[in-house]
Amino acid sequence: QVQLVQSGAEVKKPGASVKVSCKASGYTFTSYDINWVRQATGQGLEWMGWMNPDSGNTGYAQKFQGRVTMTRNTSISTAYMELSSLRSEDTAVYYCARGRRGYSFFDYWGQGTLVTVSS
Amino acid sequence: EIVLTQSPDFQSVTPKEKVTITCRASQSIGSSLHWYQQKPDQSPKLLIKYASQSISGVPSRFSGSGSGTDFTLTINSLEAEDAAVYYCHQSSREYTFGQGTKLEIK
Repeated sequence: QVQLVQSGAEVKKPGASVKVSCKASGYTFTSYDINWVRQATGQGLEWMGWMNPDSGNTGYAQKFQGRVTMTRNTSISTAYMELSSLRSEDTAVYYCARGRRGYSFFDYWGQGTLVTVSS
Repeated sequence: EIVLTQSPDFQSVTPKEKVTITCRASQSIGSSLHWYQQKPDQSPKLLIKYASQSISGVPSRFSGSGSGTDFTLTINSLEAEDAAVYYCHQSSREYTFGQGTKLEIK
């Protein structure tokens, strides 16, 4: 069965960076895009960007341009999202989600990774 | 950016009631609209894709309709387990989500 398993919770200081991983199983990793979506406590869903694990091509939401980097290691079917220059407003649960190639729906989601930014 | 506006923000309903949640897009998105259910402390779950297409494993009481700018998620004969926040999501251009509709079961 399709699974996306994310890395554990992180606590970071303002100005630092965080790198969250998303390990895929149960399907061909390079055949579907990986998207990243975040959710602050009690708030809605915010899309951050997409990555094509086959080509490595990425597309980022304008809000995160220059601060987010999405990469992958195809040998271990794992996608990564790195967010830099962290501030308190970045405290949120970060989800990876599988999508069809090109703009589409998200059919499988990771369990989420809580990132807390606090001095 | 395409803005999705859901209504209502909150609804309290009794079991077996029929519930309708709407999602309005700031510009036409064809049928590139999807619905998700998120229960407390869980990841979102896909309910409906492309406005009205059902998803395997999702109960048949969930249905969707609409195109262009106006979309509807309908839950027939509500069950207690349907208490959740519901989000619409557009994939016509750079992805955006609606603000969510919280459904409380009385």
